[in-house]
Amino acid sequence: SQTIHQWPATLVQPVGSPLSLECTVEGTSNPNLYWYRQAAGRGLQLLFYSVGIGQISSEVPQNLSASRPQDRQFILSSKKLLLSDSGFYLCAWSKRNEKLFFGSGTQLSVL
Amino acid sequence: AQKITQTQPGMFVQEKEAVTLDCTYDTSDQSYGLFWYKQPSSGEMIFLIYQGSYDEQNATEGRYSLNFQKARKSANLVISASQLGDSAMYFCAMRSSGSARQLTFGSGTQLTVLP
Repeated sequence: SQTIHQWPATLVQPVGSPLSLECTVEGTSNPNLYWYRQAAGRGLQLLFYSVGIGQISSEVPQNLSASRPQDRQFILSSKKLLLSDSGFYLCAWSKRNEKLFFGSGTQLSVL
Repeated sequence: AQKITQTQPGMFVQEKEAVTLDCTYDTSDQSYGLFWYKQPSSGEMIFLIYQGSYDEQNATEGRYSLNFQKARKSANLVISASQLGDSAMYFCAMRSSGSARQLTFGSGTQLTVLP
């Protein structure tokens, strides 16, 4: 069966520090991968998606970036965090025409 | 561009009663998919139900059913026999027709089931 792992679960970082959130999927190959962000009490905003290794599409211009170094690995990064980067980050995967499966999320607090 | 609208920020329902969560959508695509997800306080996103735009029958999954009215572009979620564990945030989402098939989410409805 397929599983998705996302870590860390919580993260507190100072403004201006770097960020690296990692997500891996097991039990499937060539998935579509996604990073979403959820502000407190709000809906999900798509940040990045990837349909293959090295293929990254950005939905929202910002100081975040994403990379897909391996087929089932998706990384969300920032060189310098802003206060506005605080939120709940969710990684997800899907096959081509199927529903999204989400990771357990990372609660990021930038102070 | 696609848009999902959930007009109910919060809803209350008595335990064992049914509740309808509203969702309307806007798209120019002929083929699309509609989803409902549940997000408990733990933060995980749990898939509930899916409706394809060409499906003639309304989708059902246990106590969940989707009231799909294509002409009105609505895809309301009906939860029958509400349970205390149904208290959560509920999101309606639409799958795009682009290559990545990403989901666009509504703003959500916070459902509280009262004992």
